[in-house]
Amino acid sequence: EVQLVESGGGLVQPGGSLRLSCAASGFTFSSYWMHWVRQAPGKGLVWVSRINSDGSSTSYADSVKGRFTISRDNAKNTLYLQMNSLRAEDTAVYYCARDAGGGCDPWGQGTLVTVSS
Amino acid sequence: AIRITQSPSSLSASTGDRVTITCRASQGISSYLAWYQQKPGKAPKLLIYAASTLQSGVPSRFSGSGSGTDFTLTISCLQSEDFATYYCQQYYSYPFTFGPGTKVDIK
Repeated sequence: EVQLVESGGGLVQPGGSLRLSCAASGFTFSSYWMHWVRQAPGKGLVWVSRINSDGSSTSYADSVKGRFTISRDNAKNTLYLQMNSLRAEDTAVYYCARDAGGGCDPWGQGTLVTVSS
Repeated sequence: AIRITQSPSSLSASTGDRVTITCRASQGISSYLAWYQQKPGKAPKLLIYAASTLQSGVPSRFSGSGSGTDFTLTISCLQSEDFATYYCQQYYSYPFTFGPGTKVDIK
C-alpha cells in the first residue's frame, strides 16, 4: 500500500524554525517528484513547493521562497521541508503528496504547524 | 502566477441531483488541470487529471471537461458520500495554484 506519513509539526514562535518530514512507503520513492501543500485552518489548499526525483531541482511559492527549503533523502525514503523565519500566516496543516504526472496522489494525513507567541 | 477561480463557492443539492462546478484560469493552461475532493479533517483525494481523465478507482459519475481557460467538474447523480469540498488545480506552470474550493452540502 502506498503511504505517506508526515511528522514534525507543532507550536513554534514567530521567527522560529521547524523541519517537517514525510516518510514514504509502498512505492519506489526515488522515482517520483514530490510536493508540499498547506491548508490554513478553515481555508483552501495552497501549493508550497516541489522537488524532482533526485533532488536536483526545486520550485517554491512566492510566499515561502527564501524561507523554506524542500529536500529529500532517497536512501531513507523521506521528504523534508525546512521552514525558517516562520510567520503567523504560515500556520496550517502541511501535506506531502506524490506527483502523479497529472495532479498529486496520494496525500499524507497532514501535520499541523502553529506559529504563535 | 496563474489565478484560478471557481464557481459557485458553495451549493446545496440533494442525492440524485446532477451537479456542475466550474473552474476558470487567468490564462490558457491547455488541459493541465486536476480536480480534488476533500472531506472535513481528511486529506484531499485526486478525482480527475488532464482535465477529463478519471483517476483509478474514482466512480464514473464524476466527469471533467474543458481546455484552455474554462473547465467543469460534473457529478451526474450525487451520492451521500459526495458531500465535500471540491478544488481544481492547475499544473501548467509554477507556482501550481488551486481554486478557492466549492463546498457541496445537503439541501
